[in-house]
Amino acid sequence: GENVEQHPSTLSVQEGDSAVIKCTYSDSASNYFPWYKQELGKRPQLIIDIRSNVGEKKDQRIAVTLNKTAKHFSLHITETQPEDSAVYFCAASKDQKVTFGIGTKLQVIP
Amino acid sequence: DTGVSQNPRHKITKRGQNVTFRCDPISEHNRLYWYRQTLGQGPEFLTYFQNEAQLEKSRLLSDRFSAERPKGSFSTLEIQRTEQGDSAMYLCASSDSNTGELFFGEGSRLTVL
Repeated sequence: GENVEQHPSTLSVQEGDSAVIKCTYSDSASNYFPWYKQELGKRPQLIIDIRSNVGEKKDQRIAVTLNKTAKHFSLHITETQPEDSAVYFCAASKDQKVTFGIGTKLQVIP
Repeated sequence: DTGVSQNPRHKITKRGQNVTFRCDPISEHNRLYWYRQTLGQGPEFLTYFQNEAQLEKSRLLSDRFSAERPKGSFSTLEIQRTEQGDSAMYLCASSDSNTGELFFGEGSRLTVL
């Protein structure tokens, strides 16, 4: 089955700096890569996603990149704000089955 | 429609008892997923349905776990003869065929004493 690895497990940045989270996946047939944000005590919510026919996607301060050859994908958050503090999960999907990474706890220090 | 709802939100039970969780997905969504999440971990796939058909069940699940979605709407997840290792947050999510985005419920937290 699919295996998604995510790192780092924790990340602290100063407010205004950028944060990068990286993931790898094992199944080359996976074709959809969503990112979810989970605030403390709340449900995971989709923040951005990318499909395998696209190499990069941006939405305001958030961007994702995908390297299909290397089976890597990354989340980039620019100009971080305290409200970005949360746990971020990457995921890979094949045939609608979604497999999650272990999560990255991001702390933005004011 | 206020989104995916799960109940009960919290369940405390003694080891060996059976528990059942219910999930009501977003009404127009045909796919429904169950995940388990423990502290510091990502959601772990348990099973998923397309309409009433159960398409896949994780090999990590023992026979004590069973899920149903009898009419293609709500779903139940039953855990028989609970063990302390079953303590976790059980998350339900639904999606439609077009986008693939998962909409999660608030989760049902199980504590097995």
